[in-house]
Amino acid sequence: DTAVSQTPKYLVTQMGNDKSIKCEQNLGHDTMYWYKQDSKKFLKIMFSYNNKELIINETVPNRFSPKSPDKAHLNLHINSLELGDSAVYFCASSRLPQETQYFGPGTRLLVL
Amino acid sequence: GEDVEQSLFLSVREGDSSVINCTYTDSSSTYLYWYKQEPGAGLQLLTYIFSNMDMKQDQRLTVLLNKKDKHLSLRIADTQTGDSAIYFCADPDGDTGRRALTFGSGTRLQVQP
Repeated sequence: DTAVSQTPKYLVTQMGNDKSIKCEQNLGHDTMYWYKQDSKKFLKIMFSYNNKELIINETVPNRFSPKSPDKAHLNLHINSLELGDSAVYFCASSRLPQETQYFGPGTRLLVL
Repeated sequence: GEDVEQSLFLSVREGDSSVINCTYTDSSSTYLYWYKQEPGAGLQLLTYIFSNMDMKQDQRLTVLLNKKDKHLSLRIADTQTGDSAIYFCADPDGDTGRRALTFGSGTRLQVQP
């Protein structure tokens, strides 16, 4: 009965590689988000989709591309990975953009 | 833009009360949130308060909101070692069509036995 799930939980990869992180929610929510948590635990919004439409696109390198195949899924694809991309990436969802957000367990990305 | 600030560290003894403070700048939000992050884990929604309330109590948790001073606090009564975690204050910012959460830096609560 997992509400917001992410795969993989851990991802270790080399610089220059391309990788994807997947997120799924079974809450019937319309809005989904990606946040990045750096090594100092600072959390910052990256993207948000509402009904499969991009509504927030913060200052993120265009190597990061979100994709929402349907309302229940929001995937994050990262091209040409860099050392500075190492972080924990959290997916979240809410019923509507202005409502409470529920977070997934996070994906710990380490770029070597 | 929105700014949310918290102190970074709090140490208490088991059984004492803990008070974690937060200040924010965007006063247009309908809700303000507290999230908890245990080591190596995700973000767990702990509690939230409507902006038209001054106080909300939920078992050992008490949230106080001072809208005039833009100050939010979380009090944990009878703090237990299992409460050791990072606590994030979060304020939704932007217009109602967006509402990304702006997080404070997190307060690391250490509970000593």
